[in-house]
Amino acid sequence: EPEVTQTPSHQVTQMGQEVILRCVPISNHLYFYWYRQILGQKVEFLVSFYNNEISEKSEIFDDQFSVERPDGSNFTLKIRSTKLEDSAMYFCASRWPGQGAIYGYTFGSGTRLTVV
Amino acid sequence: QQQVKQSPQSLIVQKGGISIINCAYENTAFDYFPWYQQFPGKGPALLIAIRPDVSEKKEGRFTISFNKSAKQFSLHIMDSQPGDSATYFCAAIPNTGTASKLTFGTGTRLQVTL
Repeated sequence: EPEVTQTPSHQVTQMGQEVILRCVPISNHLYFYWYRQILGQKVEFLVSFYNNEISEKSEIFDDQFSVERPDGSNFTLKIRSTKLEDSAMYFCASRWPGQGAIYGYTFGSGTRLTVV
Repeated sequence: QQQVKQSPQSLIVQKGGISIINCAYENTAFDYFPWYQQFPGKGPALLIAIRPDVSEKKEGRFTISFNKSAKQFSLHIMDSQPGDSATYFCAAIPNTGTASKLTFGTGTRLQVTL
């Protein structure tokens, strides 16, 4: 079964440092997403990406965040200057277009980001 | 208005029992309601989903009941098994826009005891 792959599984970084979280979506999917989950809380939408541009972003996704699909296969989330409150599990997801494609909305296993 | 409210926060059910998790929403633009199952250290995995033109959907031991007028929907897990122990999230997707972002509920931690 196709998978969304995320690396690394766990990253520890110092406050103020830049981090890049990497994702390889399912190859024929066209919509890409980042969500985050602070420990013990619900999963929150960060950003969606389609046709090489951001299609929607949440209030959480401020100027410190950026996304990129640099080579047609990877999808990255960059946090320019990390804060303690950025510590969370970050999930990448991808899906095929169309409302009926809910069944193809696939999440990766996540990257646990710890900011110290 | 964008929130999806979920209850209970945690649930303990004996093996063989019925687990019931409830969700409510306010945004009438939501028109697709999936449930996700999440095991520790893993991403959410789609369990079952329903559209509001259907009042009930069943897949194996999992059933979604949907009450459009009350804007409520629930997940029933029949014959609950220890392997069902996980966190369950309801979610909703709006019919507007193309991004189809998921709005998640707050989650229910289910423990099925022997």
